[in-house]
Order: sequence, then C-alpha cells, then structure tokens
Amino acid sequence: DIQMTQSPSSLSASVGDRVTITCRASQGISNYLAWFQQKPGKVPKLLIYAASTLQSGVPSRFSGSGSGTDFTLTISSLQPEDVATYYCQKYNSAPREFGQGTKVEIK
Amino acid sequence: QVQLVQSGAEVREPGASVKVSCKASGYTFTTYYMHWVRQAPGQGLEWIGLIKPSSDTTTYAQKFQGRVTMTRDTSTSTVYMELSSLRSEDTAVYYCARENIVNDYWGQGTLVTVSS
Repeated sequence: DIQMTQSPSSLSASVGDRVTITCRASQGISNYLAWFQQKPGKVPKLLIYAASTLQSGVPSRFSGSGSGTDFTLTISSLQPEDVATYYCQKYNSAPREFGQGTKVEIK
Repeated sequence: QVQLVQSGAEVREPGASVKVSCKASGYTFTTYYMHWVRQAPGQGLEWIGLIKPSSDTTTYAQKFQGRVTMTRDTSTSTVYMELSSLRSEDTAVYYCARENIVNDYWGQGTLVTVSS
C-alpha cells in the first residue's frame, strides 16, 4: 500500500505568516491528492482536491501544488481561524490513506 | 442541501459488535460512493472502507477485513457500518463521508466507546 507522510507534524507561526505543509507519497499518485482541514472538535472539511483545485467557498489564501510523490499545502497569510490540523489524502485507489496530520497553531 | 446524519453514540463491551448508520438526503443516494473513516481520541484520520450504493459493492482496508461489513438500504437512503469483535483500540469517532471525486460531505460523527 502507498504510505502518505506529512511534515512537519506541528508548527507554530504568527498571524500573517506564510505557512507550508508537505505531503509525500511512497509511490506516484499523479495528482490524486486532497487536503482537509479539521478544527478542534469539528468534522474534517475539504480544502483542495486534484492537488491544486480549491473547493468552492475555501479562502484563496489556501493553495496546493505538486504531482507524483511530492505535494504542498500553502497558507499565504495565516489567520487565527486557520488554527487546525491539516491532513492530506490520496484517492487514486484504495486504500485511501491519510497523512498523519499537521497541527497548525498561532505563535 | 446535502446532509449526512449519523446515529447516536454507542458503548459496547470488548468482543461485541456495533452498527452505525448514516442517512443521506439532498442528493440521489445511488449516484455517489460512501466512505467510512474513523478517528481515535487525539489521533489522525483512518480510512475504513467504502460502499457503492447502486450495486452494494464494497472495498475495505485490509486492517478491517473480516471484522467490518458495510451495507445500504436504498429505500431509506441509509448506509450502515458494522464492526465486530470490538476491542478497546476501536474506541473512536466514526464518520461517513460522501465521495464526489473526493469526500466533500461528512456526517457529524458517531462516538463508539469500547469498555468493560
């Protein structure tokens, strides 16, 4: 099975900072990569799919890039409401593995 | 509007089974696959499997093979996830999530607690 590895596992940044989270697949998955945001005590929310396509209603400060095995989620200007754990997920085939998550906090 | 409404919290003893339901509304039930994902306390998301409501076809993560059964009732637009031989490590919030390319709508989650 393809494994998904995120880094870092957590980060702390200031409001307005540019934040980057990476996700690496153990084998190529083309662009079949989604990003989810989960705020504390809440249901996961789809942010990005097809590696770089923003889900409707998601703020434009979120962006995704990558293809093959290496992917990036970027928050261009971190806001207080972005405090959450972010997960990548492959969806080219089953099993639809998630990364282990990256917890984002405000410094 | 799309809604996925799950059944309420459950408490089971080790070795027992639990069946969680997920009732869909606001779209054509048989058009989209439904996935199940779980999250243990303080842990990440774990994919359990999926069901294709139109054909009752299922695909399960190898970890859960033999212990999980996903079914659907098209008359009520409801999918079910039954997990057997429960152990303490199965304590988690269980989510259903519709697939529209990816999981775009999620249920509110069902807490399953396994404890003696």
